[in-house]
Amino acid sequence: EDQVTQSPEALRLQEGESSSLNCSYTVSGLRGLFWYRQDPGKGPEFLFTLYSAGEEKEKERLKATLTKKESFLHITAPKPEDSATYLCAVQLVGSNYKLTFGKGTLLTVNP
Amino acid sequence: NAGVTQTPKFQVLKTGQSMTLQCAQDMNHNSMYWYRQDPGMGLRLIYYSASEGTTDKGEVPNGYNVSRLNKREFSLRLESAAPSQTSVYFCASSDELAGRETQYFGPGTRLLVL
Repeated sequence: EDQVTQSPEALRLQEGESSSLNCSYTVSGLRGLFWYRQDPGKGPEFLFTLYSAGEEKEKERLKATLTKKESFLHITAPKPEDSATYLCAVQLVGSNYKLTFGKGTLLTVNP
Repeated sequence: NAGVTQTPKFQVLKTGQSMTLQCAQDMNHNSMYWYRQDPGMGLRLIYYSASEGTTDKGEVPNGYNVSRLNKREFSLRLESAAPSQTSVYFCASSDELAGRETQYFGPGTRLLVL
């Protein structure tokens, strides 16, 4: 069964304290891996898409990387406004572009 | 350019009542999706529509029906609501035919079934 597991479930950081979120997947035929940010009471907001092992993408303080079994979302010198739930999703070859989501990591950055 | 819009934002139903959740997108996307999000469960796909005139079941379709009214609109109907359908519902759209498979989400509809 295809699975997407995110860890940790929750992470509390001090402002400026860098860390990483993990998304591991056990799927057959990965087409793409997506990262989203979700603020309380709002819909998921797209951050990155990664397609192949070794690929990296950056946006402000966020950097996403992909290996054959997992993806990392690195947060460098986070600010309180980076507090949100970060969602990982995989898209499989031949799945009609459907996404399978992990349960998310709740990130809290304290000032 | 509003992106993906959903109505209503919040709804309270009694068990057995019916309702339709509306979704519209103004990005000219071909594909549209309905998800539900429950605590500890993540987002789960209910139904999707790869193009106008087609719909397919997702992971959790029981108790729901959908209609792809036209290219812009995709509605989700609960014929006889149950407390287990209390959830937050998100609509999304994407445009794979143009090589843009990223799904963009609406703000959600929060549904409480008593």
